[in-house]
Amino acid sequence: NAGVTQTPKFQVLKTGQSMTLQCAQDMNHNSMYWYRQDPGMGLRLIYYSASEGTTDKGEVPNGYNVSRLNKREFSLRLESAAPSQTSVYFCASRQGVGGNTIYFGEGSWLTVV
Amino acid sequence: DQQVKQNSPSLSVQEGRISILNCDYTNSMFDYFLWYKKYPAEGPTFLISISSIKDKNEDGRFTVFLNKSAKHLSLHIVPSQPGDSAVYFCAASIGAGSYQLTFGKGTKLSVIP
Repeated sequence: NAGVTQTPKFQVLKTGQSMTLQCAQDMNHNSMYWYRQDPGMGLRLIYYSASEGTTDKGEVPNGYNVSRLNKREFSLRLESAAPSQTSVYFCASRQGVGGNTIYFGEGSWLTVV
Repeated sequence: DQQVKQNSPSLSVQEGRISILNCDYTNSMFDYFLWYKKYPAEGPTFLISISSIKDKNEDGRFTVFLNKSAKHLSLHIVPSQPGDSAVYFCAASIGAGSYQLTFGKGTKLSVIP
């Protein structure tokens, strides 16, 4: 049972480069999320998708774009990476109505130099 | 402005004793609270939750207490085990079905054998 799968696990980017973090869940969940975690900080919501076909900004959306490709997949794109985007990124999913628990992937470590 | 605060960055407890992790919140609209546990290089995993209509919820060795008037909740782990060593995040939302969770910065628990 894979749950929430993120790729890549590690990535080093140069300032100004672009990249996409991929996420897929196999739990047939309606809602999906992207969080970032910085040292000494809690998890902060970047974007979420309440259901297939919808996306909404979270607490820290600047510098990011997302795509809910289908019910399973939710990608996060950095168009022009900045050192401030060095962080650990977590994808998550939740069943939606009637399901309160958010399930997280293992994280993607991104360094922008 | 931090709406969910975990003021103790770390806590050390002897194996077999009680661990008490604390969390304070400022937003009186929060009415659903969760605790997540996170091991290094893994995503957070759901531990236990509580709705504001309750003041206590228990699941095995884990109990969460909610004091609404003080805007305070705590997680009790009894007895503590070395495998409980992890970072614990408190999270809050407005409504159990809310798409947005607000996380605290986490408390690193070390259980000493």
